[in-house]
Amino acid sequence: QKEVEQNSGPLSVPEGAIASLNCTYSDRGSQSFFWYRQYSGKSPELIMFIYSNGDKEDGRFTAQLNKASQYVSLLIRDSQPSDSATYLCAVRAPGGYNKLIFGAGTRLAVHP
Amino acid sequence: NAGVMQNPRHLVRRRGQEARLRCSPMKGHSHVYWYRQLPEEGLKFMVYLQKENIIDESGMPKERFSAEFPKEGPSILRIQQVVRGDSAAYFCASSTELGNNEQFFGPGTRLTVL
Repeated sequence: QKEVEQNSGPLSVPEGAIASLNCTYSDRGSQSFFWYRQYSGKSPELIMFIYSNGDKEDGRFTAQLNKASQYVSLLIRDSQPSDSATYLCAVRAPGGYNKLIFGAGTRLAVHP
Repeated sequence: NAGVMQNPRHLVRRRGQEARLRCSPMKGHSHVYWYRQLPEEGLKFMVYLQKENIIDESGMPKERFSAEFPKEGPSILRIQQVVRGDSAAYFCASSTELGNNEQFFGPGTRLTVL
């Protein structure tokens, strides 16, 4: 079992729709969760982080965390073609380590 | 407002040569991380450093790879005797020692081994 799992996609949504990206993790001791966006050929850009169960909203983005189910999600409302990218879920390794463990990423395609 | 800086952005080496990748963290950041992204794969942690100390090198290959973060100057990732399988994008990230350790990435160095 991979430590952080994401559906590779592509996830195709029409412009203006809600895109829902999902991530599961294996280590129940994980405490910190991050979503990065990566455009093709570019570096990862931090867009959201969440540490507590529940929802966290920032503009069009909402991160959701359910530690009991070991599940993190990212919702993008009013999706735009410029949101088309790969979205990487990352989990901070438990036990006092700072390294991030990344999923393979989900490719999102927003079509006009 | 300089972010994380990496150079060179592109590096071409022949098999057996050495590659040196440099990373300057964001202003105010004292923690540096190196990650590798192979083509069509996710990011893999390599090493975590603070000034003059390697904190976690659990992701570093056992041979040919080394990293340092001296008291003065950038962090260096060094790959000796490169092989074709080392061709990848190498990203550096930095964070503060405070808060919850949000890591910000540099633009990366794309290494091509001929």
